Amino acid sequence: GQQVMQIPQYQHVQEGEDFTTYCNSSTTLSNIQWYKQRPGGHPVFLIQLVKSGEVKKQKRLTFQFGEAKKNSSLHITATQTTDVGTYFCAGPGSGAGSYQLTFGKGTKLSVIP
Amino acid sequence: DAGITQSPRHKVTETGTPVTLRCHQTENHRYMYWYRQDPGHGLRLIHYSYGVKDTDKGEVSDGYSVSRSKTEDFLLTLESATSSQTSVYFCATQGGGHGYTFGSGTRLTVV
Repeated sequence: GQQVMQIPQYQHVQEGEDFTTYCNSSTTLSNIQWYKQRPGGHPVFLIQLVKSGEVKKQKRLTFQFGEAKKNSSLHITATQTTDVGTYFCAGPGSGAGSYQLTFGKGTKLSVIP
Repeated sequence: DAGITQSPRHKVTETGTPVTLRCHQTENHRYMYWYRQDPGHGLRLIHYSYGVKDTDKGEVSDGYSVSRSKTEDFLLTLESATSSQTSVYFCATQGGGHGYTFGSGTRLTVV
């Protein structure tokens, strides 16, 4: 079945440093989604990328979708303590499974003040 | 998100007992999902629904059943709870082709 892999599993950064998490799918994706889960909270949808090579920005967050639509990245510039949490990427299945998301295991970000 | 309510928020139950978790949405979303979240495994799909009385299995469906008699309610039942089902359970909905909206989760402990 479809697999979505994320690296790194954990990342500790000093406040103000940049952070990047990478996502790779075993299959070509129609879109990729990113979620953030704060400690003790639930996943919250951040963004969806659809087009090959697409780049989207949300303030200090930059999301990229690879040309082959099999990989993606999330980059945070100048991290803040409010960025703490686990970031998940997720991709839909194909055909009848297109409404099911397979999630990566997430990257847990810690920010040291 | 106020549109999705999970109940109970916390539950401790004994091995071998049946348990039902409830997810209620006010978004009128067609698609609903049950995921479990465990350390080292991320979010794994248990069952999902694509309409009233239309459900299907996910990746980790063994030991679980679901029912959806109304658009707004999606129930997850552990037929005979085991310690391996100790987890945090999240309900999610999807509507309009956008991302999932998750409930606040149910923390279930099987002792």
